Parts: sequence; C-alpha cells; structure tokens
Amino acid sequence: SQQGEEDPQALSIQEGENATMNCSYKTSINNLQWYRQNSGRGLVHLILIRSNEREKHSGRLRVTLDTSKKSSSLLITASRAADTASYFCASDPQGGSEKLVFGKGTKLTVNP
Amino acid sequence: DAGVIQSPRHEVTEMGQEVTLRCKPISGHNSLFWYRQTMMRGLELLIYFNNNVPIDDSGMPEDRFSAKMPNASFSTLKIQPSEPRDSAVYFCASKLSGTGWAFFGQGTRLTVV
Repeated sequence: SQQGEEDPQALSIQEGENATMNCSYKTSINNLQWYRQNSGRGLVHLILIRSNEREKHSGRLRVTLDTSKKSSSLLITASRAADTASYFCASDPQGGSEKLVFGKGTKLTVNP
Repeated sequence: DAGVIQSPRHEVTEMGQEVTLRCKPISGHNSLFWYRQTMMRGLELLIYFNNNVPIDDSGMPEDRFSAKMPNASFSTLKIQPSEPRDSAVYFCASKLSGTGWAFFGQGTRLTVV
C-alpha cells in the first residue's frame, strides 16, 4: 500500500507569500525527500532530509522533519509564479528496501 | 547524461491491444522503478528492480501487466490486453542503490480507448 500523505491537497497563494506543505508517513525512514512536478512533466528532486536531521535549507526552501510524529513540512518563502507545480514527499524506508513511497501531492498555485 | 529516457511520450491504443512502454535508466544506476500516476490514486509504485532483478512487484495491478529488465540499460513495461482503466501516465525512475535521489523520466501518457 502507498504511504505518505501530503496536505493540503491544493493551495493557492499570491506571489510573495510563503507556502507551507505537510507530509506524514507511516514507517521508520532513512530519509525523506521532496519532489516537484510541473504539469505534464516528470518529478524532479528538491531536497532530502535524513532521519537524524531536524531542519534543512536550500535557497528559498526549508524542510523540517519530526520523526516522533512521522511528519515533515516544506516551506517555500517569497513564492513566485514559477513555483506553481505539484509537490510530493517520498519516504525512504529503513530495512534495506530501495522502495520510495510517494504521497498524492500538494498542488500549489502562485498567483501573480 | 541525458537522464532517464522513456518512449513513447504518448500512446493511444484501442482496448485489447498490447502496449509496451520503454525505459533507459541513467548509466550507472542500478535501481529502476516503474510508477503509474492517476488523479484518483496518485503516484503508485508498480515494480522495482535492483541489479536487473525484480525485487518487489506487489504493486503490479494484475497479470495483464508484466515488466522486464534484460540488461542494466533497458526496461519494458507491457500491458496485454490493455483496458481503458489502464489510462494513466507511466513513469520510469532510476537511482544508485544506497543513495537517496530517484531521477524520473518524462513519462508516457497512455490512453486506452
């Protein structure tokens, strides 16, 4: 069964505002990854946070991880119209499996 | 590197026909994944290979679906016979074992009429 659930399912904001997306997962992980998908395209990785990390930054992206709650959040600051896309989290489970499990994603619309 | 290459990009076929989707992973990657994406079910893992060997095919919907990886640089996903409910975007992804990132192809949009 698929694991990982993002919320909200859809988010619409104005340019310049911050966007926060949340993700929950079910099993112990090695790391958690966030991906972006533009309409009609494949997924592109954005940022990876390891299970022993609590926060990570990359440019305008900030990811947090709470392993006790099995949850993560992705914050995009000072959003731009070009950030309009779907965002997915993927959990990399412990146990040697290479199986990345994706949620259904958050569809972000940034209005100019 | 050209990235993960999938073909065809679009496929329209009639119900009952055989469909074969193709994938060339990134050179040096030894894990390969086939995903299916629909609005209703999101991104579902169908099967993944490690070192050309199928490791987990629990996501393959039924016997009409089969996947092969005859060598490290090529994989196919076959649907026979196809049905309208198979309409979806099929993604292939590859990664190097032990590392985090998966790299996705551009997908094949399959429409079965």
